[in-house]
Amino acid sequence: AQTVTQSQPEMSVQEAETVTLSCTYDTSESDYYLFWYKQPPSRQMILVIRQEAYKQQNATENRFSVNFQKAAKSFSLKISDSQLGDAAMYFCAYRSLLFGNEKLTFGTGTRLTIIP
Amino acid sequence: EAGVVQSPRYKIIEKKQPVAFWCNPISGHNTLYWYRQNLGQGPELLIRYENEEAVDDSQLPKDRFSAERLKGVDSTLKIQPAELGDSAVYLCASSPYGYQLQFFGPGTRLTVL
Repeated sequence: AQTVTQSQPEMSVQEAETVTLSCTYDTSESDYYLFWYKQPPSRQMILVIRQEAYKQQNATENRFSVNFQKAAKSFSLKISDSQLGDAAMYFCAYRSLLFGNEKLTFGTGTRLTIIP
Repeated sequence: EAGVVQSPRYKIIEKKQPVAFWCNPISGHNTLYWYRQNLGQGPELLIRYENEEAVDDSQLPKDRFSAERLKGVDSTLKIQPAELGDSAVYLCASSPYGYQLQFFGPGTRLTVL
């Protein structure tokens, strides 16, 4: 079974600065998807960014980018120019490509605080 | 396009009472998921539907939990009787068949007293 580990329960960053959230995972599969979801107090899980394991190029979405290290099974999220609206819980998630195993496996989350 | 709709948003009940949650997925999405999110944890899958069929219910506590997805659209998750440990956020998500992205609803926060 796959596992996802987020070792930083809480992080804080000054507004307009850059912060990196860590995620490691364990799998024996060679192809899969990785995601970062944001969960504000409203509880809605919002997709931030996704990465296909077969792609070597790191995904980017505006101020959000990832550092995907497949051999190290590491998938960190970098948020540049942090804004107050970025404050939320951030969850790293894994999705297998195996038929019948389409569920998302989540880490325990990192609470990000933005300091004005 | 409307997102995933869930109701109620909040529910407070006493232990041993029954409770039900409702989910309306995005139109055209064949796959529907129910996740449970305990406090301070990430969501965990309870059950996955492909149309009307429950294709993965291995994590559903079947002694007290039940779910249905009639006509392959709306779904209801029921707990009877509720226990203190069932206090959590219950999230519904949907996706087109085989698609890697899941779209989540706002969740229902259940408090069992």
